[in-house]
Amino acid sequence: SAVISQKPSRDICQRGTSLTIQCQVDSQVTMMFWYRQQPGQSLTLIATANQGSEATYESGFVIDKFPISRPNLTFSTLTVSNMSPEDSSIYLCSAQTGGEKLFFGSGTQLSVL
Amino acid sequence: GEDVEQSLFLSVREGDSSVINCTYTDSSSTYLYWYKQEPGAGLQLLTYIFSNMDMKQDQRLTVLLNKKDKHLSLRIADTQTGDSAIYFCAEIPGGSYIPTFGRGTSLIVHP
Repeated sequence: SAVISQKPSRDICQRGTSLTIQCQVDSQVTMMFWYRQQPGQSLTLIATANQGSEATYESGFVIDKFPISRPNLTFSTLTVSNMSPEDSSIYLCSAQTGGEKLFFGSGTQLSVL
Repeated sequence: GEDVEQSLFLSVREGDSSVINCTYTDSSSTYLYWYKQEPGAGLQLLTYIFSNMDMKQDQRLTVLLNKKDKHLSLRIADTQTGDSAIYFCAEIPGGSYIPTFGRGTSLIVHP
């Protein structure tokens, strides 16, 4: 299994500012993902964080709004830029090990005023 | 329609068995998962099953897979109040490495 540390666990931010969320895995993993979970909804994949190259974004998500870094096989960051109240959500980091197991961090509860 | 579907709510009495159901659309799915999310927390991997299996049991949890009907279920025996949470079904479609999640079933356990 993999232990994923995600921080911050929650934050309240002002409109127009940016927040960077960090995700640290206790072992090297090939795949890391960032998800958004809006209240009462399922998980929506934002992007796949690729080590050593640009992230792969899903439809509806762009790099300017959600820049992602993946400097090595154990760490990734997601920035939510120029925030608006519509960005209020839970953001989840996940890592895939052994090709079949997907583990999650504890999530970041973001509120934008 | 959605690729993975679940009923939104399930209410059971403490001590009874809970059965949470999930249907999916991709017949070439490789792995199917059940996750548990408690309030304010991330998703905890409960169990998973490979598509060539029919059943998997792990203590109080039993996973049944009916590939013909593309139906997955999670049975929790002797349900406790600590089992109250949202349970997500997920699949990895064939040819992909990215899971698709259902909307989650909120399990409410009452005395």
